[in-house]
Amino acid sequence: EVQLVESGGGLVQPGRSLKLSCAASGFTFSDYAMAWVRQAPKKGLEWVATIIYDGSSTYYRDSVKGRFTISRDNAKSTLYLQMDSLRSEDTATYYCARMGSYMGFAYWGQGTLVTVSS
Amino acid sequence: DIVMTQGALPNPVPSGESVSITCRSSKSLLYSDGKTYLNWYLQRPGQSPQLLIYWMSTRASGVSDRFSGSGSGTDFTLKISGVEAEDVGVYYCQQGLEFPDTFGAGTKLELK
Repeated sequence: EVQLVESGGGLVQPGRSLKLSCAASGFTFSDYAMAWVRQAPKKGLEWVATIIYDGSSTYYRDSVKGRFTISRDNAKSTLYLQMDSLRSEDTATYYCARMGSYMGFAYWGQGTLVTVSS
Repeated sequence: DIVMTQGALPNPVPSGESVSITCRSSKSLLYSDGKTYLNWYLQRPGQSPQLLIYWMSTRASGVSDRFSGSGSGTDFTLKISGVEAEDVGVYYCQQGLEFPDTFGAGTKLELK
């Protein structure tokens, strides 16, 4: 059974940093591209970043480029999102997702809430 | 960026009725490999989203055959045949043709 378990969310002040983790199990982690998708309170889904299976290529939405870094440790089957210079508009539940060849999100974690506020 | 526009449902919907959710993209999602990179998700209240349909019309593993997807390069439909209580939630379409991946705003389904 595919499992994705996010951690690392919490309350953080504007301008500070936070690092999210996503522990994967139930599949060969190194075979799949992975992504982060977020959802602001009472809002829709918003793609944040994608990393291909070996970590050699990464993609970001414009609003987080230069502030967020997606990475992975295939030996630990873990996905990360380093978030720097956080803004109030980054407040959201962050989901880790395994991608499919159809460039969609096949499996999702339960999400971790990030609140950026002073 | 590709803009995804979803239609609304005439909520609440009577149980057992069939409904169609529409989604339109600002650019054709048909790729040179012959596949259309349009995916559908359901987010039930208080839960994470789940994949329903990929490549416009292929049901994901374990998804009921009451769900079906169809469309052209820019206009898409998710049909639910015989709505049940477990179908309540918000439905999202998403394009995977090019970055940034974009989602529609969501279509809420409520049951009468």
